[in-house]
Amino acid sequence: AQSVTQPDIHLTVSEGASLELRCNYSYGATPYLFWYVQSPGQGLQLLLKYFSGDTLVQGIKGFEAEFKRSQSSFNLRKPSVHWSDAAEYFCAVGARGNEKLTFGTGTRLTIIP
Amino acid sequence: SAVISQKPSRDICQRGTSLTIQCQVDSQVTMMFWYRQQPGQSLTLIATANQGSEATYESGFVIDKFPISRPNLTFSTLTVSNMSPEDSSIYLCSVLRASGTRYEQYFGPGTRLTVT
Repeated sequence: AQSVTQPDIHLTVSEGASLELRCNYSYGATPYLFWYVQSPGQGLQLLLKYFSGDTLVQGIKGFEAEFKRSQSSFNLRKPSVHWSDAAEYFCAVGARGNEKLTFGTGTRLTIIP
Repeated sequence: SAVISQKPSRDICQRGTSLTIQCQVDSQVTMMFWYRQQPGQSLTLIATANQGSEATYESGFVIDKFPISRPNLTFSTLTVSNMSPEDSSIYLCSVLRASGTRYEQYFGPGTRLTVT
């Protein structure tokens, strides 16, 4: 069975600082990996996805993520965070032929001035 | 992407009653899903809504409690039946957009349900 672990339940970062949100997955086959963001009171917005090929993927809002098969990780990064980045971030895993996504428990990001 | 609307956006219901949540997509999609997000927790897939046939439920979810309809390729409903306070959650509908073997899931804004 597939699973996703987001080790950081809550992260606090200063505005303008760099950000890295961790995601580890467990899946027997080649995974499809996704990052979503959920702002307070909102649905989920897709930030970026990885299917195959280049292991560094670019997304919206200046985010990027790197797939590392050897570490079973897909960490999300941003060079400089903005106050508007405060939200909950979810990592999810699926696969070719398996469209049912499994979500991690999420990381709540707080931005301080 | 996809534009997805859900009604109602929120509701407060008495225990023992039922609530039907509607999900409308701006264009035809092959797959639609319903998720539950309990307070402070992640998303759990309830079922896949199948057009013209019974929904496919995940372990722990049953049709009597969460009946789902999908009369066409752009619309689905989820009913939360005989509600209890434990059903207080955000319910989200999502749709799949596929291109070959690749796909993306897009989510509606959610329905925040409080059961008293």
